[in-house]
Amino acid sequence: EVQLVESGGGLVQPGGSLRLSCAASGFTVSSNYMSWVRQAPGKGLEWVSVIYSGGSTYYADSVKGRFTISRDNSKNTLYLQMNSLRAEDTAVYYCARDSHGSGSNDYWGQGTLVTVSS
Amino acid sequence: DIQMTQSPSTLSASVGDRVTITCRASQSISSWLAWYQQKPGKAPKLLIYDASSLESGVPSRFSGSGSGTEFTLTISSLQPDDFATYYCQQYNSYSLITFGQGTRLEIK
Repeated sequence: EVQLVESGGGLVQPGGSLRLSCAASGFTVSSNYMSWVRQAPGKGLEWVSVIYSGGSTYYADSVKGRFTISRDNSKNTLYLQMNSLRAEDTAVYYCARDSHGSGSNDYWGQGTLVTVSS
Repeated sequence: DIQMTQSPSTLSASVGDRVTITCRASQSISSWLAWYQQKPGKAPKLLIYDASSLESGVPSRFSGSGSGTEFTLTISSLQPDDFATYYCQQYNSYSLITFGQGTRLEIK
């Protein structure tokens, strides 16, 4: 059974850092495109970042230069390192799998809440 | 960036109704479009990918159509479980993925 479990969210001050993890089971992270998508409270969905199976990475302009997506193949886990956090980064962060290899996400985690506030 | 505009923002309907949600792209995205259903406090669920391909396990009352800049999601006969928020997503380029603002489908 495919499962994605995010962790690492919490309260952080503006300018701080946080690393989110997404532990996968039932499939191999490194064989799929994997994304992070976020949703601010009461708002819509916003794509954040993707890592291709080949290792290439892409970011939304809103997080470019501050966030880094990576994976640990030995742990079958996806990460999102978030630096220089701002209040507008407050959101539920979801990791998601793209098994079709085109951009749509067929499996999602339950999400982890990141709150940036002083 | 490619802007995705969904209409309507809110839709009131009854069980058994046929409903259609529209998504318009600010430029052509070929068929690189997906539809998701999201319920409160839950992760989105993929319904349709590549504009018209039904995701495995999704009921056949859901269908998608369109190409270029105009797309539709149709639910042929609304069921109680279908009342939720629906999002379109374009993935014409992986560096420029964007979602529509969402359509809330509520019970009339």
